[in-house]
Amino acid sequence: EPEVTQTPSHQVTQMGQEVILRCVPISNHLYFYWYRQILGQKVEFLVSFYNNEISEKSEIFDDQFSVERPDGSNFTLKIRSTKLEDSAMYFCASSEQGPNQPQHFGDGTRLSIL
Amino acid sequence: RKEVEQDPGPFNVPEGATVAFNCTYSNSASQSFFWYRQDCRKEPKLLMSVYSSGNEDGRFTAQLNRASQYISLLIRDSKLSDSATYLCVVNAFNSWGKFQFGAGTQVVVTP
Repeated sequence: EPEVTQTPSHQVTQMGQEVILRCVPISNHLYFYWYRQILGQKVEFLVSFYNNEISEKSEIFDDQFSVERPDGSNFTLKIRSTKLEDSAMYFCASSEQGPNQPQHFGDGTRLSIL
Repeated sequence: RKEVEQDPGPFNVPEGATVAFNCTYSNSASQSFFWYRQDCRKEPKLLMSVYSSGNEDGRFTAQLNRASQYISLLIRDSKLSDSATYLCVVNAFNSWGKFQFGAGTQVVVTP
């Protein structure tokens, strides 16, 4: 069964450093998403991406965050200057045909900010 | 009021028994509904979509009540492997895939 893959599985970074989280969505999917889950809390939407542009973003997704699809397979989330409160599990997801379709999640990147 | 609310549980269920729980949502314009399961510190995995007429997938039955703004999940003949946190997910009309997650209902199936 095709799956969303994310790298790295765990990233440890000093506060203030830039970090890039990488995702390879399912190959025939057209819609891409990033979510985060702080330990012990619910999953929170960050951003949706379609046709090489952001479709929707949450209030969490401020100027420190950016997304990019640099080639035909990768989808990245960049945090420019990390803060302690950015520590969380970050999940990438993709859906095939539209934003109302089920989203399939990768196994996440655990980001730890020191 | 939270956008998606769930009873956190835990629901302790003997193996073979039936368990059911609900989720309420606040936005009457919500359009798509799903149940996901999440094992400890793992990714959410799609369990099933929820359709207006209700739907069944093996031992799992989902119902949608738009008038009262809730969805439900029923698990029959519970297995030990059903132990997980069940996440209610709602997508609003005109939303570009902004899935809103509930905090989850924990189910523990005991031998």
